[in-house]
Amino acid sequence: DARVTQTPRDKVTEMGQEVTMRCQPILGHNTVFWYRQTMMQGLELLAYFRNRAPLDDSGMPKDRFSAEMPDATLATLKIQPSEPRDSAVYFCASGLSGDTQYFGPGTRLTVL
Amino acid sequence: GNSVTQMEGPVTLSEEAFLTINCTYTATGYPSLFWYVQYPGEGLQLLLKATKADDKGSNKGFEATYRKETTSFHLEKGSVQVSDSAVYFCALHLSNFGNEKLTFGTGTRLTIIP
Repeated sequence: DARVTQTPRDKVTEMGQEVTMRCQPILGHNTVFWYRQTMMQGLELLAYFRNRAPLDDSGMPKDRFSAEMPDATLATLKIQPSEPRDSAVYFCASGLSGDTQYFGPGTRLTVL
Repeated sequence: GNSVTQMEGPVTLSEEAFLTINCTYTATGYPSLFWYVQYPGEGLQLLLKATKADDKGSNKGFEATYRKETTSFHLEKGSVQVSDSAVYFCALHLSNFGNEKLTFGTGTRLTIIP
């Protein structure tokens, strides 16, 4: 049963530190999405890729966030420097163009 | 723009009760419609979908019918179980100009009590 995997599952860090979250999409999927979920804002789309090319990162704070796909099996989301307001659960999802998105289990980030 | 409006939660029901969670949408075109479910501590997972008007999606006893005339996709289940306690998200996808985004509703938290 193919699944999206995310690491780490939990991350606690101090303000100002760099955070890197990783995602392995389902093999063969050509779209990858990064979401952030908080109680206050709900589910927000940060960025997404198709065939490893970034298509939209308008949901991402550009000054501190960056998203990349070094290869088809890895997507990364970096925050540098991290701030307490970045505390949230970050989800990666993958899919085939125009079809269902499959979500990973999420990375719970706490910035102290 | 595109949007999804969901029934405000939280919703609390007794086991074996009938469930309806309302969802209406606004879209410039003919979207595909989805219900996703999020169990505690997990990511969202697809519950069911419908890709055109009058289609009925179904899974695990849940059903939703794509109603173009009322722009709705209400989720129903005849007899809920405690294990159905979760947050339910309605979403739409409009595939134009290569857009891959899903537009989500705000989610409805459902609690089933024994």
